[in-house]
Amino acid sequence: GNSVTQMEGPVTLSEEAFLTINCTYTATGYPSLFWYVQYPGEGLQLLLKATKADDKGSNKGFEATYRKETTSFHLEKGSVQVSDSAVYFCALIPMTAGNKLTFGGGTRVLVKP
Amino acid sequence: EPEVTQTPSHQVTQMGQEVILRCVPISNHLYFYWYRQILGQKVEFLVSFYNNEISEKSEIFDDQFSVERPDGSNFTLKIRSTKLEDSAMYFCASSFADTRNQPQHFGDGTRLSIL
Repeated sequence: GNSVTQMEGPVTLSEEAFLTINCTYTATGYPSLFWYVQYPGEGLQLLLKATKADDKGSNKGFEATYRKETTSFHLEKGSVQVSDSAVYFCALIPMTAGNKLTFGGGTRVLVKP
Repeated sequence: EPEVTQTPSHQVTQMGQEVILRCVPISNHLYFYWYRQILGQKVEFLVSFYNNEISEKSEIFDDQFSVERPDGSNFTLKIRSTKLEDSAMYFCASSFADTRNQPQHFGDGTRLSIL
């Protein structure tokens, strides 16, 4: 079946540090890939997406590249801020019919001033 | 920016009681979803809904669960006889279309606590 694996947190960083959150997936064919972010007390917000191999999604300084060869979609940001403290979820929608999101376990990121 | 609204934010219910979780999707969206997250576990898909019928459901969505769009704006999830293991955060989501390019917009969730 379809699944998403992401690194466990919490990840604790200092402001302006480089952030990487690893995400790998298992799915048939070419799923669409997403990163969602959940700030404290809020719902899930779409951060970025990529729908085909080698696509790069980007938003708010975050980037992720769809790597078919390694079945990965790692999230990166070059210089984090305290306001980036949140839980980050990697997710996929398979290429088959339906629009069901399959999520990874989430990675909590804490950025300290 | 339009958003998905869920009420209540926290619901406490006795085991065996019925509970209804309410959602107001974004107004021009046509596809609606419920997900849940048990504490410490992954966000799991429950059900998707389009054109007044269920389009897909997971194994979790058994006969105790039902969904309804009673009017033009609300989308509800009913749990008929709650169990302790139904305690979770329940998220409603909506999207404009059923394609992989259309993002699902999520509400802030309802935390359901079963005593």
